[in-house]
Amino acid sequence: DVKVTQSSRYLVKRTGEKVFLECVQDMDHENMFWYRQDPGLGLRLIYFSYDVKMKEKGDIPEGYSVSREKKERFSLILESASTNQTSMYLCASSLVEAANTGELFFGEGSRLTVL
Amino acid sequence: AQSVTQLGSHVSVSEGALVLLRCNYSSSVPPYLFWYVQYPNQGLQLLLKYTTGATLVKGINGFEAEFKKSETSFHLTKPSAHMSDAAEYFCAVSRTYKYIFGTGTRLKVLA
Repeated sequence: DVKVTQSSRYLVKRTGEKVFLECVQDMDHENMFWYRQDPGLGLRLIYFSYDVKMKEKGDIPEGYSVSREKKERFSLILESASTNQTSMYLCASSLVEAANTGELFFGEGSRLTVL
Repeated sequence: AQSVTQLGSHVSVSEGALVLLRCNYSSSVPPYLFWYVQYPNQGLQLLLKYTTGATLVKGINGFEAEFKKSETSFHLTKPSAHMSDAAEYFCAVSRTYKYIFGTGTRLKVLA
């Protein structure tokens, strides 16, 4: 069974803290994505990666960075968390051959609260 | 630029009634279109997708959607709602590596 695992389902952090959100997939997918989900706004792409050490900015990259040192792992980093980054974060992956026609496989999400 | 509009952020139907969730897209080229479902406290999973070929697409759990180029629509339907269909539904379009999602429609099924 295919799986995208997000290490933390719920996190509570303080303003200014550095936050790491980890995502691991076991499907040997080349593409990995980080989305942010907010009520009434749907899913917005933060960053995506199409290969190890490769990354591209999505629609809302400000305040975030990413790391992809291994194919199966894609990390989202909040260098200095702010209250407006309180949200649900979703990781996804897909095959590169599928490109934009393929299915995105999602993790269960990480709900981050910044106080 | 591509975009997706989902009409109605909340839809309520009675159990056994027709489900119709609306999605319109804006794209300068033929798009690839998707419907995803999100059950409470879970990630999204693919319901169905249209890439090429037959415009009526069947998905999981009895859902289907029809691609209508003339109306730039990709509405999701199910003939008879079940309580287990209560969830949030997202329409999405892609033409590059970026998938553009709509704002979602939360479906409530009334007993």
